[in-house]
This record gives sequence, structure tokens and C-alpha cells, in this order.
Amino acid sequence: DAGITQSPRYKITETGRQVTLMCHQTWSHSYMFWYRQDLGHGLRLIYYSAAADITDKGEVPDGYVVSRSKTENFPLTLESATRSQTSVYFCASTPADRGGEQYFGPGTRLTVT
Amino acid sequence: AQSVAQPEDQVNVAEGNPLTVKCTYSVSGNPYLFWYVQYPNRGLQFLLKYITGDNLVKGSYGFEAEFNKSQTSFHLKKPSALVSDSALYFCAVRDPRFSGSARQLTFGSGTQLTVLP
Repeated sequence: DAGITQSPRYKITETGRQVTLMCHQTWSHSYMFWYRQDLGHGLRLIYYSAAADITDKGEVPDGYVVSRSKTENFPLTLESATRSQTSVYFCASTPADRGGEQYFGPGTRLTVT
Repeated sequence: AQSVAQPEDQVNVAEGNPLTVKCTYSVSGNPYLFWYVQYPNRGLQFLLKYITGDNLVKGSYGFEAEFNKSQTSFHLKKPSALVSDSALYFCAVRDPRFSGSARQLTFGSGTQLTVLP
């Protein structure tokens, strides 16, 4: 199906484990973003990417790693998960030639025990 | 730095009444402004945006927003609320002077709208 998908939708992991959240979009949008959503904080940007092989830090990048070898995929890795990384994670994308509205995936609810 | 404030965590309105969800922003230049809606266990959905031109912007599901430069506000409105409008609403801002890799949106903390039957 066309659009932006995230997997898994729900994940429970233990402190110290590595976890990778997947994001895939079928629109060939240039820009992709990872946010986390926490109560009282709204959405905070973790990392973003302007194109394949171009990534940059957002507001809260510590503890996260991203890569973008293909335009359509933008995985987010928690190298050693901590309880403070329990959150809902959203991936988003936007084309280069629009006004900037972003299109969001359905989210991944991650719990770190 | 750009920022957005949504001063109300919660807004309650009766079905059929007009609704307003408030948003104020801080950007050095002329802003790009956005409203998103989030239903439970879903991602954010784009509602409308202001780039330039008419201060009254119309969007999806009968929503509109009014850009007020002097008050640095971008309030979301709807003439007649529906129970199905109950959701979490986010305002966002972008400074268009920063192109390329800095196309970041800054989001407000969200306002929970409840429309009572």
C-alpha cells in the first residue's frame, strides 16, 4: 500500500538491549524525520534526513542512531535501550518541493523494562 | 529559535457549538504554520497550513485557522463542532528562511479537544 509504514507497532524490550524501529515510505519523499511523543512534551525531533546518506541530529538525539541507505527507508536504532526511552515513536516524511507539511506513520509504542 | 505555545491542555465544547483551539508562535521571520490532528493510537494527520496570502486558511473536515501577525497567533476554529472532532490537536511552526536540511517543524505540546454530545 502507498504511504508511510512503521514496524513493529508495539515493542517491549529490556534495558541494555539494542532495538531497531523501521520506517518505510512509498512516496519517494526527500525528507524523513523521527520524533518521540511523550506526555507533556508534544513531539520532539530525534533525527532527520534530507536525502539518502544525509542525516542530522534533532532536539533529542542522544542514545539513538539512524541510517538512510535508500530513500524509502529510515530505520532508528536504540543502541542500548534505557527506561527513559519508553515512548511512542513517529516517523514522518515530506517532499522537497512542498510547503513543509509532514506526513506521519502510525507510530511504534516502545516500552523498555 | 522558533517555538509554539498551546496555552490550553484541554478544551471542552458542546456538539453544535463553535470551537477554538489556540496557538501562538515565535519566529524571527515570516512563519509557515500548520495544524495537525491525532486520533487515539494513530499518527498525526495534516489539517491545514498557512504559507502566505489570505489570513483565513481552510482545511480538512470543515476546520479553518486565522493567521494574526500582530498577535503572533494561529487559532484553529470550526463553526459547529462534532463529537467525532474529539482528538488531540497540535500546532506547528517552521521558519522558511532555513531551507535544505533544516526543514524542521517545531510542535506545540498539544490540546485535547472533547466535544460533548
